[in-house]
Parts: sequence; C-alpha cells; structure tokens
Amino acid sequence: NAGVTQTPKFRILKIGQSMTLQCAQDMNHNYMYWYRQDPGMGLKLIYYSVGAGITDKGEVPNGYNVSRSTTEDFPLRLELAAPSQTSVYFCASSYHGLEAFFGQGTRLTVV
Amino acid sequence: AQTVTQSQPEMSVQEAETVTLSCTYDTSESDYYLFWYKQPPSRQMILVIRQEAYKQQNATENRFSVNFQKAAKSFSLKISDSQLGDAAMYFCAYRSASVNSGYALNFGKGTSLLVTP
Repeated sequence: NAGVTQTPKFRILKIGQSMTLQCAQDMNHNYMYWYRQDPGMGLKLIYYSVGAGITDKGEVPNGYNVSRSTTEDFPLRLELAAPSQTSVYFCASSYHGLEAFFGQGTRLTVV
Repeated sequence: AQTVTQSQPEMSVQEAETVTLSCTYDTSESDYYLFWYKQPPSRQMILVIRQEAYKQQNATENRFSVNFQKAAKSFSLKISDSQLGDAAMYFCAYRSASVNSGYALNFGKGTSLLVTP
C-alpha cells in the first residue's frame, strides 16, 4: 500500500526560484494537509483541503499556493523561494479527520 | 487557535524502565481529540495513540498509555518497558471536533526521547 507519497524527498532551491512539491494519496481520503516542520518548532499547518476544488489557509500560508483538482493529488507551490522557507514539508491525508496519514516529508533548502 | 505545550524538550530513560512525557493544551471546546505521534530519525510521522475527549477511559496501546485529565487539560504519555526503538521525537497534537477546523492537527514542539542501554 502506497499511502501518502511525496516527491521529491530533497531539494535545494536558489532564492527567487519556484517549485512544486507533489503529494498523492491512494486511500480515497477527502481531507488533505500541508505542514512545515522547523527545528524545535513542531509542525505548522500551511494549507488544507476538505475535498476536490476546496482549499483553505492554515496558520502559515504566506508564500505558498495549493490546488486540489482531484481527490488524490494536493500539490504545494512555492513562488519566489526565500531562505525562510527552508524547512521539512509534510503532506498528510485523513478520512474525516479520523487518523492522519503522513508522507515521508520533503527537505527543502533555499540558498 | 488551540495551543499545545510540551514542557520537556528532552527526556532520557533506561531500557526496560518507564517514562512519562507531558503535554498540556488550551481550548474552550468540549469535544476534541488528542494524539501522540512518534517521529524517529527516518522522519516518518507515526501515530502512537489517540484519545477522544468524550471518553473517560484512558487509551492504551500495548506499552503505551495516556493519562488524560480533561479538567486540567493535561494529556501525558507513559511508555512502559522502554525499548531502544522507542528513541524518537514525540509530538502531542490536538484536533478539534468541529468540521470548520478542517480537522487539522495542532502540534506541540515535541519531546526528544533518548533510550539508554
């Protein structure tokens, strides 16, 4: 079972570049989330989606965009990367919030 | 927004001993869920245990159990018979029962658990 798949696992970006972090789940979950994890700070919610075509901001949405055109996919777009976006990014999904399943994370460094 | 506080940045326990990790939270809601997640060096987030606020009985999962004190807004995790494989970062998380929150998790800053032979 694949579960939640994130790509890439590692990426180095230059300041001002853009990129998309991919997330796909094969569990037919309606809820999907993006979190970022900074050292010593726990995980913070960037964006979430309650179903295809519906997204909403979390605690730290600035500098990011998301879309949800299908139930399976929930990509996170970084425009004009900044050093403050250096972090580990986690995608997660759940069925009505019963239990969140996480991807293995993407370590992003902006230099 | 609800806040989750883990006051112990690091804890240490000897193999086969018992350790308790602390977590407190702040909320005005009466219905919610609480979780403990484990994050080993592999970075994978693994659900350890879940507690529904409406349940009086403390949740248990094998060697893991919680002490849920709703009035005190406290949710500690007890690990019995600690094993080397328990070494990890442990996160306490709160989830509102309201659909308006998107059922998103609010995490504490984590407690790093070291297990010594």
